[in-house]
Amino acid sequence: GNSVTQMEGPVTLSEEAFLTINCTYTATGYPSLFWYVQYPGEGLQLLLKATKADDKGSNKGFEATYRKETTSFHLEKGSVQVSDSAVYFCALGTANNNDMRFGAGTRLTVKP
Amino acid sequence: DTGVSQDPRHKITKRGQNVTFRCDPISEHNRLYWYRQTLGQGPEFLTYFQNEAQLEKSRLLSDRFSAERPKGSFSTLEIQRTEQGDSAMYLCASSFRKSSYEQYFGPGTRLTVT
Repeated sequence: GNSVTQMEGPVTLSEEAFLTINCTYTATGYPSLFWYVQYPGEGLQLLLKATKADDKGSNKGFEATYRKETTSFHLEKGSVQVSDSAVYFCALGTANNNDMRFGAGTRLTVKP
Repeated sequence: DTGVSQDPRHKITKRGQNVTFRCDPISEHNRLYWYRQTLGQGPEFLTYFQNEAQLEKSRLLSDRFSAERPKGSFSTLEIQRTEQGDSAMYLCASSFRKSSYEQYFGPGTRLTVT
């Protein structure tokens, strides 16, 4: 079945450091891929998405490229800020399933 | 505020009691989803509606759980005879059919069963 595996956390970085959170997926069909962010006490917010191979999603300095050959959708940011501290979820959706499949989440803490 | 709203935000109940949660989706969205999220995990799908029709239910949705969306707008999720294992965050999301993969989430209802 469809599933997402993402890098275990927690991840702790200093401000302005480079961020990578790995995400790989297994899916039948042609999935769309997403990164959601969850700030403390809040619901999930869509951060970025990519709907086909080689698409790059980007938002707020975060980027992720849909790599079909490696079944990956790694999240990157060149210079993190304290305000980026949150839990990040990789997710996929396909035409065959009505539900979104989520990874377990990676908690990021950015220290000043 | 035109986002997804959920009520209540927190609920503490004793084992064996019934609880009901409400979700109000974004007004033009015709799809509505319920998820459950436990500590340290990603959301797990429970059920989904297209308009008022409940089209899919996860195996996670035991017979103590029931969800409705009577007029195709707001939805309710009821848990009967709550158990401690039901303690979790219950998330609601909605989407517009044409971009159904892109789901917008509410803030969640945190349930604690004592």
